[in-house]
Amino acid sequence: GAVVSQHPSRVICKSGTSVKIECRSLDFQATTMFWYRQFPKQSLMLMATSNEGSKATYEQGVEKDKFLINHASLTLSTLTVTSAHPEDSSFYICSAREIGKGASEQYFGPGTRLTVT
Amino acid sequence: EDKVVQSPLSLVVHEGDTVTLNCSYEVTNFRSLLWYKQEKKAPTFLFMLTSSGIEKKSGRLSSILDKKELFSILNITATQTGDSAIYLCAVEAGGAQKLVFGQGTRLTINP
Repeated sequence: GAVVSQHPSRVICKSGTSVKIECRSLDFQATTMFWYRQFPKQSLMLMATSNEGSKATYEQGVEKDKFLINHASLTLSTLTVTSAHPEDSSFYICSAREIGKGASEQYFGPGTRLTVT
Repeated sequence: EDKVVQSPLSLVVHEGDTVTLNCSYEVTNFRSLLWYKQEKKAPTFLFMLTSSGIEKKSGRLSSILDKKELFSILNITATQTGDSAIYLCAVEAGGAQKLVFGQGTRLTINP
C-alpha cells in the first residue's frame, strides 16, 4: 500500500515552454502533497505544500507564478513549471500525506527529471 | 529558522567496514526525526525516531536519537556495496507540518 506515482518520469523541453508534472496517490487519499526539488548531489528542498481544495503554501524564495500547483482532488496534485529556463532543470519529487496522518508519514513518488534546453 | 545538519557530507569506505552518520537539528516543537536512503530515485524510509535513547534496528542498520543534545546517528555495520546511497535525515517540526531535510551524506562502499 501507500504508493505514489509521478508522471512523467523524465521530460525534456525547450526554454520558454511550460511543463506539467502529475503526482498521484494510488491507494490512499491525500489531503496534503508536498513538492520538492533536488539539484545534483544536494538534498531535497521543499518548494511548496499543496492542500486539496485550497491554495498551495510556497516556501520562501519559490516563485508561485512560475511553479503553479493545483491539488484538485484527494489523489492528484500537479506542478506546472511555466516559461521554463535551463536553471529550472532539476529532479522534482512529490510526496503525499494520508488523511489524518502527520508530516512524518509522507510517501514519496519516484521523481521527475526535468531538463530544459 | 529550523535547521538540520548532517555530517559527513561524503564518506568512502571499504566493504565490511562500519559507518556512523550524524544528524543534528535545531527546530521548534520537535515531533520526530526520520532517516531515508536515496539511490537513484525517491527516498525510501528507514527509521522514524521520537523518543530519546531507544535504538531502532533493522538488519545491519540501527539508529538512535538524543533529544537532549539534539542529534541522531545512523549506524551501518558490515557494509555492502548495495549500501552505497545518499542518506537523508529529516525532522518534523510540530507547528510547520512539514519535513526539514539535512544536506544528506553520500556514502560510497568500495568492494
